[in-house]
Amino acid sequence: DAKTTQPTSMDCAEGRAANLPCNHSTISGNEYVYWYRQIHSQGPQYIIHGLKNNETNEMASLIITEDRKSSTLILPHATLRDTAVYYCIVRAYNNAGNMLTFGGGTRLMVKP
Amino acid sequence: EPEVTQTPSHQVTQMGQEVILRCVPISNHLYFYWYRQILGQKVEFLVSFYNNEISEKSEIFDDQFSVERPDGSNFTLKIRSTKLEDSAMYFCASTRRPTNEKLFFGSGTQLSVL
Repeated sequence: DAKTTQPTSMDCAEGRAANLPCNHSTISGNEYVYWYRQIHSQGPQYIIHGLKNNETNEMASLIITEDRKSSTLILPHATLRDTAVYYCIVRAYNNAGNMLTFGGGTRLMVKP
Repeated sequence: EPEVTQTPSHQVTQMGQEVILRCVPISNHLYFYWYRQILGQKVEFLVSFYNNEISEKSEIFDDQFSVERPDGSNFTLKIRSTKLEDSAMYFCASTRRPTNEKLFFGSGTQLSVL
């Protein structure tokens, strides 16, 4: 699976958009970009994933560059409850299972 | 939304003892996983399980570890002879299919080996 690079930490004001970048310059054509988050010491929570098109769901938007070498997770109106570690994971289609390789992630602090 | 349930939430054991961590995956899911997270470190994959067999396992998952689906609802992780370095938060997860689907994680069992 391709390696990802994320900033260690970011701050965001409550109510503002949080834009979390991720670099994955060695991504292969069959690899998807997944975002998960972990609030305090809870289990990781799925946010969104995509292959090459931008994606949006009730939690967030995912913007993937045309060359697919980087992506941005957007939380449109961050709340205090969005304070968490956000993980960008790149993974290929694999019939053996959905093994995820977590990196260090970005620690997002949403401030009032 | 359906949930993965893990019990107990905290487990304290003496070094060398056996522990069994229990998970109830989401009812129509077929693929099951264990991950762990040592305090302050990354979430690490341990094992995936499908059709009563291990599909994949990491280097961490050595002979001290085993998994089982003893009935139609539970999925367990057994550590035969615990070591101090097994102290971690253990997360169970499940999916319906192995690919391009989100993993549903449980809230974890904090294992402390003394």
